[in-house]
Amino acid sequence: DIQMTQSPSSLSASVGDRITITCRASQGISNYLAWYQQKPGKVPKLLIYAASTLQSGVPSRFSGSGSGTDFTLTISSLQPEDVATYSCQKYHSAPFTFGPGTKVDIK
Amino acid sequence: EVQLVQSGAEVKKPGESLKISCKGSGYRFTNYWIGWVRQMPGKGLEWMGIIYPADSDTRYSPSFQGQVTISVDKSISTAYLQWSSLKASDTAMYYCARGYAPFDPWGQGTLVIVSS
Repeated sequence: DIQMTQSPSSLSASVGDRITITCRASQGISNYLAWYQQKPGKVPKLLIYAASTLQSGVPSRFSGSGSGTDFTLTISSLQPEDVATYSCQKYHSAPFTFGPGTKVDIK
Repeated sequence: EVQLVQSGAEVKKPGESLKISCKGSGYRFTNYWIGWVRQMPGKGLEWMGIIYPADSDTRYSPSFQGQVTISVDKSISTAYLQWSSLKASDTAMYYCARGYAPFDPWGQGTLVIVSS
């Protein structure tokens, strides 16, 4: 099975900072990658699919890029409401594995 | 509005059986896959499997194959996740979600606690 890794596992940044989270697949998955946001105690929410397509209603400060094995999620200007764990998910072929998650908080 | 509403929290003993549910509304239930995701306390998301309500085509993660059963009753727009013999290690939040991939939206989650 294809394994998914994320880095860093956690990060702390200031409001307004640009942050980038990396997701790596152990084999190529084209652009079959989604990103989810899970705020503390809440249900996961789809942010981005097809590696770079923003889900309707998601703020434009979120963006995704990548193809093949390496992907990034960028928040262009971190806001207090962005405190959450961000997880990638590959859906190239079953099982549609999630990455381990990256916890983001405010410095 | 598309909604998935899950059954309430459960507290069970090891060895007991359990079936939790996920009812879809606001869309044609048979047109979309339903998936299940486990989240153990303080841990990440784990993809368990998916089912297509129209024909009950089911795909399992190898990690969960044989450990759980995913089923559906399309007449009442409800998907199920069941265990025949719970273990303490099944203690987790379980989410259902709509879609083959990616998942959107998600149910509110069902907390399952297995403790003697």
